[in-house]
Amino acid sequence: TQLLEQSPQFLSIQEGENLTVYCNSSSVFSSLQWYRQEPGEGPVLLVTVVTGGEVKKLKRLTFQFGDARKDSSLHITAAQPGDTGLYLCAAPAMDTGRRALTFGSGTRLQVQP
Amino acid sequence: DAEITQSPRHKITETGRQVTLACHQTWNHNNMFWYRQDLGHGLRLIHYSYGVQDTNKGEVSDGYSVSRSNTEDLPLTLESAASSQTSVYFCASSETNYGYTFGSGTRLTVV
Repeated sequence: TQLLEQSPQFLSIQEGENLTVYCNSSSVFSSLQWYRQEPGEGPVLLVTVVTGGEVKKLKRLTFQFGDARKDSSLHITAAQPGDTGLYLCAAPAMDTGRRALTFGSGTRLQVQP
Repeated sequence: DAEITQSPRHKITETGRQVTLACHQTWNHNNMFWYRQDLGHGLRLIHYSYGVQDTNKGEVSDGYSVSRSNTEDLPLTLESAASSQTSVYFCASSETNYGYTFGSGTRLTVV
C-alpha cells in the first residue's frame, strides 16, 4: 500500500500569516487531490492536480503538483480563521486499480484571530 | 439538489450486536465508498462498489460487509460489533477518480 505522508501534523498560526503544508510519497501518482474537513463534517474537495509541475490557485490557496508527481504542496497566503480545519491529500490507490483513493493522515490547521 | 446522506449521525451499540449504517446518494454516481476515520490514521478504505451488484474489499474490511442492490444505496454492516470498530464512518460517492462527495459521517461507539 503506497503511503501519503503529510507534514506538519499540526499547525497553529496567527491570522494574516502565510503557511505551506506538504504531501509526499515514494510512489508516482496519476493525480492528487486536496480536501478540507471541518469538525463534524465530511471532507470537501478543494482541487485536483493531474500534470507534473501543475500549479492551481483557488483564491488565497495555491496548490502545486511536483514535477515527478510524487509530492504536492498547499500554500495559504494571509490565513484567516475560516481556513481552520483538517487538510487531507489523496491519490488513486494502486491496490484498487486506481479506482479508490488513499488518504494521508492530514494536517490540522488552526488560525487564531 | 443532489446530495449524499448518512444515517444515523450518532449510534451507540453493544459489543457483539449487528449494526447497519446507511448511505444514500442522489447524484446517480456509480462509485460508492466507505471509509473509517480514526485519530492518527486518517481515512482508511473499508469497502467500495463500482455499480449495482459489485462490491470490493478495502484496506480494513475485516468485520464489515456491504451490498449494492441499487445505484443510490450502499449500506455498511458490522456483523458483530467490537470496541475496535468505534470510529467515525464516512460514505462517499463519485463518477470518476477526480473528486469524491462525502456524507457528514456517522459516529459509532461500541461499548
